[in-house]
Amino acid sequence: GEDVEQSLFLSVREGDSSVINCTYTDSSSTYLYWYKQEPGAGLQLLTYIFSNKDMKQDQRLTVLLNKKDKHLSLRIADTQTGDSAIYFCAESRNTPLVFGKGTRLSVIA
Amino acid sequence: GAVVSQHPSWVICKSGTSVKIECRSLDFQATTMFWYRQFPKQSLMLMATSNEGSKATYEQGVEKDKFLINHASLTLSTLTVTSAHPEDSSFYICSALRNEQFFGPGTRLTVL
Repeated sequence: GEDVEQSLFLSVREGDSSVINCTYTDSSSTYLYWYKQEPGAGLQLLTYIFSNKDMKQDQRLTVLLNKKDKHLSLRIADTQTGDSAIYFCAESRNTPLVFGKGTRLSVIA
Repeated sequence: GAVVSQHPSWVICKSGTSVKIECRSLDFQATTMFWYRQFPKQSLMLMATSNEGSKATYEQGVEKDKFLINHASLTLSTLTVTSAHPEDSSFYICSALRNEQFFGPGTRLTVL
């Protein structure tokens, strides 16, 4: 199976919260990341969490990590149309990153 | 934050020609850069790790003679797709390592 799994699509209304989920397999991962990719563009690092933490908040973004279940989530509060993009979670094994396939977030006005 | 650029942003070439893509770290030196490939609606797959002054390390299944990587300076790594074919059409993204990976904006290659 895939090393890092994400649901492919998520649709939310503007102003609602979005929750994007990710599962990973490598318990030795040290950092877990969330990246945003807008159409035709590279990756923008949104946030990351060290594996010994279970939560990190950064303005509208909240990352939750359940290390026991190897589950990572990204919550975007007050989702805006500008948040429409593909969101990738990634785990760090040594240095190269292993990415999920990405979740396409569509925000409906 | 650290800035990584790629050139060109997009390129269209004929089958059989070679294409060079540059990845530059603009405001920091990077001894290690990475090259990723992204197919439509797919994740990024690591192709190779580029180390300044030494040979690149390729991931399994990536042909090193087809995807030539040169990391001649601490701010520049190049990826040359030799004898490109339509199946090489893809979005190529590089990253440079400084504590964390900083990604370039990507290069879209279309081979006709």
